[in-house]
Amino acid sequence: NAGVTQTPKFQVLKTGQSMTLQCAQDMNHNSMYWYRQDPGMGLRLIYYSASEGTTDKGEVPNGYNVSRLNKREFSLRLESAAPSQTSVYFCASNILGQRIYEQYFGPGTRLTVT
Amino acid sequence: DAKTTQPTSMDCAEGRAANLPCNHSTISGNEYVYWYRQIHSQGPQYIIHGLKNNETNEMASLIITEDRKSSTLILPHATLRDTAVYYCIVSYNTDKLIFGTGTRLQVFP
Repeated sequence: NAGVTQTPKFQVLKTGQSMTLQCAQDMNHNSMYWYRQDPGMGLRLIYYSASEGTTDKGEVPNGYNVSRLNKREFSLRLESAAPSQTSVYFCASNILGQRIYEQYFGPGTRLTVT
Repeated sequence: DAKTTQPTSMDCAEGRAANLPCNHSTISGNEYVYWYRQIHSQGPQYIIHGLKNNETNEMASLIITEDRKSSTLILPHATLRDTAVYYCIVSYNTDKLIFGTGTRLQVFP
């Protein structure tokens, strides 16, 4: 049981390049989330998916797109990376209805845009 | 969702109790208090939650005042591994957890 996994762990992009951050969970959770954390700051919600086939904007969605590929996988895409998107990105999941208070987080992807 | 106020940083001696305060004076009746922690840039980890009553689990205790305007997270016997940033979050819905900047707890030998 790996929990929440994220790939890649580190990434450097040039301004204007695109990339997709991958997230997967093996806990049969309904809901999945993408957060970003800038240095010295708390986490901010980018997008979330309450269930397979649905996605909703969070606090800071501009510049990102998401895909809930299936129940296990939730990807985050940067179409045209900007230096302001330099951050650590965390994926999380939880299951509504059972222990609904606990979100499980992945180890993060450290992204630098030059 | 209600806003929370936490001290920026705190110190605690190893083996002593760490008491981390949180003010949430605008909390609504259906909002829960959650505590998470983040150790050295890892993903945050859930610690405990509560609505009105005090709660205890294997990690910590949560004391909520009767008017629910503030709470305290208690780590009964802090260890060096408890050094982390602790986030107090108030929310009625786990889909919308708003993380502030938290309290940086330093446990020293």
